[in-house]
Amino acid sequence: ILNVEQSPQSLHVQEGDSTNFTCSFPSSNFYALHWYRWETAKSPEALFVMTLNGDEKKKGRISATLNTKEGYSYLYIKGSQPEDSATYLCALVSEAGGTSYGKLTFGQGTILTVHP
Amino acid sequence: KAGVTQTPRYLIKTRGQQVTLSCSPISGHRSVSWYQQTPGQGLQFLFEYFSETQRNKGNFPGRFSGRQFSNSRSEMNVSTLELGDSALYLCASRDLSYNEQFFGPGTRLTVL
Repeated sequence: ILNVEQSPQSLHVQEGDSTNFTCSFPSSNFYALHWYRWETAKSPEALFVMTLNGDEKKKGRISATLNTKEGYSYLYIKGSQPEDSATYLCALVSEAGGTSYGKLTFGQGTILTVHP
Repeated sequence: KAGVTQTPRYLIKTRGQQVTLSCSPISGHRSVSWYQQTPGQGLQFLFEYFSETQRNKGNFPGRFSGRQFSNSRSEMNVSTLELGDSALYLCASRDLSYNEQFFGPGTRLTVL
């Protein structure tokens, strides 16, 4: 069974704080890593797809880094806003081949609450 | 472009019944994947369809099945429903040129 772990499980921060969370995965099973943001009552929204060791991606105040050799990825949010409150999920593509990108193994998520 | 749509959004069934859920992918996307989300297990992969063929399957019993039509729309069927099948079922579509999956809003299934 593939283990994708996220920490912490939940996080409460104040508006303006910067925060980060971790996604750990078995490095021997890595082909790609996805990050999603999932707000209540909405569809999960894709943030990043990361494939190369050392990848750094950025979208506004959110950025992510990837270390495939040690099996982890960090997601950073700079200057958190209440609208950043959501569950952040990482998901691993663990098999080679084009069709394998349709099979994601998800972590349990980090629930972020940003207080005004 | 319209997003991924799923119908129905909510469904209540009783144990032993069967249910069919529908997913319409983003126009031009030919791959559809299905996931189950429960509080205890998180999001788990059910199966993926591409070109009307199942390409990948997760670790679920045979009561869970699916199919894909020539227009890429997909259906998922669960037979002989059990209480533990109560969950949010999400589908996601993908353009095979890219790795990104786009999710629908889900169908909330409650089994009584």
